[in-house]
Amino acid sequence: DAEITQSPRHKITETGRQVTLACHQTWNHNNMFWYRQDLGHGLRLIHYSYGVQDTNKGEVSDGYSVSRSNTEDLPLTLESAASSQTSVYFCASSENRAAGYTFGSGTRLTVV
Amino acid sequence: QQQVKQSPQSLIVQKGGISIINCAYENTAFDYFPWYQQFPGKGPALLIAIRPDVSEKKEGRFTISFNKSAKQFSLHIMDSQPGDSATYFCAASSPSGGSYIPTFGRGTSLIVHP
Repeated sequence: DAEITQSPRHKITETGRQVTLACHQTWNHNNMFWYRQDLGHGLRLIHYSYGVQDTNKGEVSDGYSVSRSNTEDLPLTLESAASSQTSVYFCASSENRAAGYTFGSGTRLTVV
Repeated sequence: QQQVKQSPQSLIVQKGGISIINCAYENTAFDYFPWYQQFPGKGPALLIAIRPDVSEKKEGRFTISFNKSAKQFSLHIMDSQPGDSATYFCAASSPSGGSYIPTFGRGTSLIVHP
């Protein structure tokens, strides 16, 4: 069965370190997204991609970057982790731009 | 500016009761309204969605009601069960207008007591 997987599920890192969160989907979806979920804020879009070599900034992109070298993967990099980036991160994909999303199970990141 | 306002923040319902979650939007260009269900420790999952050409869509015990003139839509869960306990998010986007990224509500935590 097709799926979208995120790794790691949990990560603790130190302030200032570079961290990369992985997202891999086997749906062959062109559209992929990264969100962070924080209590009181709901889901906030970090970056998204509509295809290979395409990346776009979302509403909370500062301090994050993504790259899209193939259809299956959209890794999210925190260039220099900050305590404010402690959150649960969700990757999602969609079949087309007008469709609903399929979400991964999330990565809980703690920056100490 | 919050473009999709969801209420209530939390909801407690007895088993067998009706759960109602409301969302109001401001952008009249929105024309796709999905609802997502999220269980603890899991990612949100698409539950049901509606487009404004219909006023209601039903899938099993879940119904979306849509009021275009009032710019409101709501999720009704009939015969609520403890297994429905989850966080529910509404969303809105405008695919036909080229605005594909959905705006999410802030979520409603539903608890169904047995």
